[in-house]
Amino acid sequence: NAGVMQNPRHLVRRRGQEARLRCSPMKGHSHVYWYRQLPEEGLKFMVYLQKENIIDESGMPKERFSAEFPKEGPSILRIQQVVRGDSAAYFCASSPVDRGGNEQYFGPGTRLTVT
Amino acid sequence: SQQGEEDPQALSIQEGENATMNCSYKTSINNLQWYRQNSGRGLVHLILIRSNEREKHSGRLRVTLDTSKKSSSLLITASRAADTASYFCATVSGGYNKLIFGAGTRLAVHP
Repeated sequence: NAGVMQNPRHLVRRRGQEARLRCSPMKGHSHVYWYRQLPEEGLKFMVYLQKENIIDESGMPKERFSAEFPKEGPSILRIQQVVRGDSAAYFCASSPVDRGGNEQYFGPGTRLTVT
Repeated sequence: SQQGEEDPQALSIQEGENATMNCSYKTSINNLQWYRQNSGRGLVHLILIRSNEREKHSGRLRVTLDTSKKSSSLLITASRAADTASYFCATVSGGYNKLIFGAGTRLAVHP
């Protein structure tokens, strides 16, 4: 059973470009979470999605950031018009159910560098 | 804002010694989890302790939870160089499985 997959692993974008980060959850998992990690810091929750639904986006910046988890295909985190402050590691995690007693399985992350 | 705060921020020990990391949090929780992150890698789940549990063991790991003090500790016994990593506590509150992380403890174990 393959783990959570994220691609690309490294992404370099110039200021003003768009960044698309993809996450394929573990087989059988229908709950996806995105987190952002700045250097030397812990992870910060961004958004929680189920198939075709955004359940909690309280950690998403109000502008330029969006996320989706379509019926088919991976979850996508999209950052429009990137700025240097968006440089970070973005992690996706998945879980089979949404109860407060289950661990999340993390992907290897996408490291975004904005030049 | 961060829910958990780890203490110490950094810890340097010799192989064979025990390592203790502490985590404090602010609100009531459903459970508390500890994760490890090797440099430049993703997170690996270590152990989950529920709010009605006080202590849990897994191999060389021992986790305690004191809900009255809103704190938890992670003890790694007989540390190895391979334990060198950052360790994060994360809490789950409310109805979702959303994790709120602390800033982490960077552990260095020297051979």
